[in-house]
Amino acid sequence: EAGVAQSPRYKIIEKRQSVAFWCNPISGHATLYWYQQILGQGPKLLIQFQNNGVVDDSQLPKDRFSAERLKGVDSTLKIQPAKLEDSAVYLCASRAGSTEAFFGQGTRLTVV
Amino acid sequence: GEDVEQSLFLSVREGDSSVINCTYTDSSSTYLYWYKQEPGAGLQLLTYIFSNMDMKQDQRLTVLLNKKDKHLSLRIADTQTGDSAIYFCAERTDSWGKLQFGAGTQVVVTP
Repeated sequence: EAGVAQSPRYKIIEKRQSVAFWCNPISGHATLYWYQQILGQGPKLLIQFQNNGVVDDSQLPKDRFSAERLKGVDSTLKIQPAKLEDSAVYLCASRAGSTEAFFGQGTRLTVV
Repeated sequence: GEDVEQSLFLSVREGDSSVINCTYTDSSSTYLYWYKQEPGAGLQLLTYIFSNMDMKQDQRLTVLLNKKDKHLSLRIADTQTGDSAIYFCAERTDSWGKLQFGAGTQVVVTP
């Protein structure tokens, strides 16, 4: 079974630029999560989708972050404009039913 | 601060047992998890325990849950150099599967 795929693995951008990350969850997993992991901290949930609907986006900085999951399969997370404090690893995870969540390898973003 | 708290660092000698501790705050948590993260990698689920259990054993891993004290521990028997990583404790806080993570415990295994 293929795992959660994320791209790119690494991205370096200047502050005020925009960036997008892509996630392809495990086939058939209805629930998809985006987590932000700042260096030295545990992951924090940004947004959660159930199929193509948003379940929880209470921690998403909506003035600069946006996410979509068209057709209930893969998802993109966008930051526009980026700030220095957005430097982090962005992790995508997916889950089917009541089973555990599986995580992708993440995208490491550096904002300079 | 974090709702889930862990000690930040643990050093252990190869062959010894490691014990990583975690305290959580949400008494309604249904599942508690242990994830492993190696450098440059995503999170790998090691094991989880349902909140009505006290203990779960899975090969070299033993999870103990004290629900009264909201304390969770992970014991790794016969620790190997490949066990060097950051270990995250997480609680599932809602029916949608949202996870609240601790800051992670870095485990260093020395020969």
